[in-house]
Amino acid sequence: ELKVEQNPLFLSMQEGKNYTIYCNYSTTSDRLYWYRQDPGKSLESLFVLLSNGAVKQEGRLMASLDTKARLSTLHITAAVHDLSATYFCAVRTTSGTYKYIFGTGTRLKVLA
Amino acid sequence: DSGVTQTPKHLITATGQRVTLRCSPRSGDLSVYWYQQSLDQGLQFLIQYYNGEERAKGNILERFSAQQFPDLHSELNLSSLELGDSALYFCASSVGSPGPNSPLHFGNGTRLTVT
Repeated sequence: ELKVEQNPLFLSMQEGKNYTIYCNYSTTSDRLYWYRQDPGKSLESLFVLLSNGAVKQEGRLMASLDTKARLSTLHITAAVHDLSATYFCAVRTTSGTYKYIFGTGTRLKVLA
Repeated sequence: DSGVTQTPKHLITATGQRVTLRCSPRSGDLSVYWYQQSLDQGLQFLIQYYNGEERAKGNILERFSAQQFPDLHSELNLSSLELGDSALYFCASSVGSPGPNSPLHFGNGTRLTVT
């Protein structure tokens, strides 16, 4: 069974600092997604990563994918308060029927 | 706005009851996915439909069932409700199965409270 683990689960950081969220998955997958969720709200798509070595950047967020290590990272540069949210990674299974399995989520709080 | 519509937004009911959650996917999307998000937990995949047919099942309880209708809207039926069923239920849609490079698009969720 595909497992998707994120760490850390909780992250409190100062504005202006850099940090990385890690997403590990347990079996082969052909694509990886990052989503953002504000409290009580829906999920918003941030990135879709399709191949080994893929890197995508949007503002202060940069996501990368290493399919050999089954690892994706979400790097936050010079954090600002508006980035406070829960971040989820999700992978699509490639065995059997397609399923989108989400990680445990990382709750990020950026302190002013 | 993702284009995925879920109703109702909130639902409060008693244990043992049955409820129906409704989802209308984005225009043109054929796949619908249901997820359960309990307090302080991640998203648990329940079930997926593609163009009216069930395509994948996750950790869906036998008390739960779903279907996708010819107009592509989907309903999730929850019966014999228990306190532990209280959660936020999300519907998401995508174009196809397997989908293209686009991500899942999520609705705003239905918050179910079982008392």
